[in-house]
Amino acid sequence: EPEVTQTPSHQVTQMGQEVILRCVPISNHLYFYWYRQILGQKVEFLVSFYNNEISEKSEIFDDQFSVERPDGSNFTLKIRSTKLEDSAMYFCASSAGGVEKLFFGSGTQLSVL
Amino acid sequence: AQTVTQSQPEMSVQEAETVTLSCTYDTSESNYYLFWYKQPPSRQMILVIRQEAYKQQNATENRFSVNFQKAAKSFSLKISDSQLGDTAMYFCAFETSGSRLTFGEGTQLTVNP
Repeated sequence: EPEVTQTPSHQVTQMGQEVILRCVPISNHLYFYWYRQILGQKVEFLVSFYNNEISEKSEIFDDQFSVERPDGSNFTLKIRSTKLEDSAMYFCASSAGGVEKLFFGSGTQLSVL
Repeated sequence: AQTVTQSQPEMSVQEAETVTLSCTYDTSESNYYLFWYKQPPSRQMILVIRQEAYKQQNATENRFSVNFQKAAKSFSLKISDSQLGDTAMYFCAFETSGSRLTFGEGTQLTVNP
C-alpha cells in the first residue's frame, strides 16, 4: 500500500535555529497538509496546500512557518526561527481529493532545546 | 466555530469485550465528514472509520462501527471483540471547510488481557 514518508523521524535543534521537515506524499495525490501534535494534546491543523499554493492555514501558522513543494515529489515545512513551544510531533498528510481519504505520515518529532 | 468533544479521557475494556467511545461535535453545516483515528504508541495516525453526514446508514469496518446521530450531533465508536492491539489513543475528527480536520482531545483506550 502506498504511504506518506517523513524524514527525519526525530529532529533536535537549538532555539532560534531554522529547521526543515521533509515529506514525500503519495505520488498521485494533489492535496498536502501539515498537522502538529504537542505531547499529550490533540492534533492541530497547520496548513493545506494545493496547486502550488496555500489553500488554508490556521492561526498557528504564522510568519515563522512556510511550506514549499520544491520538486514533483517533496513537500517541506520550514520553521524559520524555532521556539521552545514548537516542540511537537509534526505530521504530513496527503490526499487525492480533500480530507475524505487522508493519509498521514508517521511523523517527525521536533525537539527544540 | 466547529468543535469536537470527547468527554472520556481514558477507558479500559477486557479483551473480547465491547467498548463504546463517545464523541460530540458542533457545527452549523449540513454536509460534512466525521472520522475516528487510532494513534498507537508509535504515534502514527491510522484511519479507523469515516462517516458521511448525508448518509443515514452507520459506517462499519469489521469490528468497528459507529452510531451516528445527526440531530444530536453525536458520533460514537463501538469496538467489538476488543483485542490487545486495539490499545491506543482514539481521536474523533470532523471535516471543516473541505480543507482541514478538527480533532477532539482523544480517549486513551486500554485493552486488558
